[in-house]
Amino acid sequence: QVQLQESGPGLVKPSETLSLTCTVSGGSMRGYFWNWIRQPPGKGLEWIGYIYHTGSTNYNPSLKSRVTISVDTSRNHFSLKMTSVTAADTAVYYCARGDGGNSDYWGQGTLVTVSS
Amino acid sequence: QSALTQTASVSGSPGQSITISCTGTSSDVGAYNYVSWYQHHPGKAPKLMISDVSNRPSGVSNRFSGSKSGNTASMTISGLQAEDEADYYCSSFTISSTLVFGGGTKLTVL
Repeated sequence: QVQLQESGPGLVKPSETLSLTCTVSGGSMRGYFWNWIRQPPGKGLEWIGYIYHTGSTNYNPSLKSRVTISVDTSRNHFSLKMTSVTAADTAVYYCARGDGGNSDYWGQGTLVTVSS
Repeated sequence: QSALTQTASVSGSPGQSITISCTGTSSDVGAYNYVSWYQHHPGKAPKLMISDVSNRPSGVSNRFSGSKSGNTASMTISGLQAEDEADYYCSSFTISSTLVFGGGTKLTVL
């Protein structure tokens, strides 16, 4: 059974960089897209971006200038970096496996709060 | 890219059927048969309920079904049960090879 687990700081100061890692267990990373998705408090889901196992990436145009996703298939994890964060980036951040356009396995999510 | 349009809320009584719609454009919903539907109970991970417009992943009840016509996709839940009360989101692959979600629909089982 594939499992994903997000990890990283729960509190980030404004203007600093948010860094999260998603560890994948129970399956290979090869052949899949690996997504980051977030949900601000009281709002809907927002796709942040994905990375293919080869390292090819694509990002939400509204976040592209601030986001980098990387992958380390040898360690079965992928990571998210988001620069210059503001309070608007406060959200539950999910990682998910993408099989085509479908996200079939999700992590439990981690709350990241942007505050001084 | 703009979020797909979903009705904010829908309700139904146990045993009834409801349909949630998801409207996009020819650049996303209308472009490919890559529409997914997710069930999200607060505090839990979203769950894939429908993939590729109308496919049910293993373990998903056959009370859930999906379809698409033009730029609008729909998911129907038949035989409503209390456990179906949740938020539901659609998502679509786009011609830019990105993903876009709908704004979400809150389902209340009366």
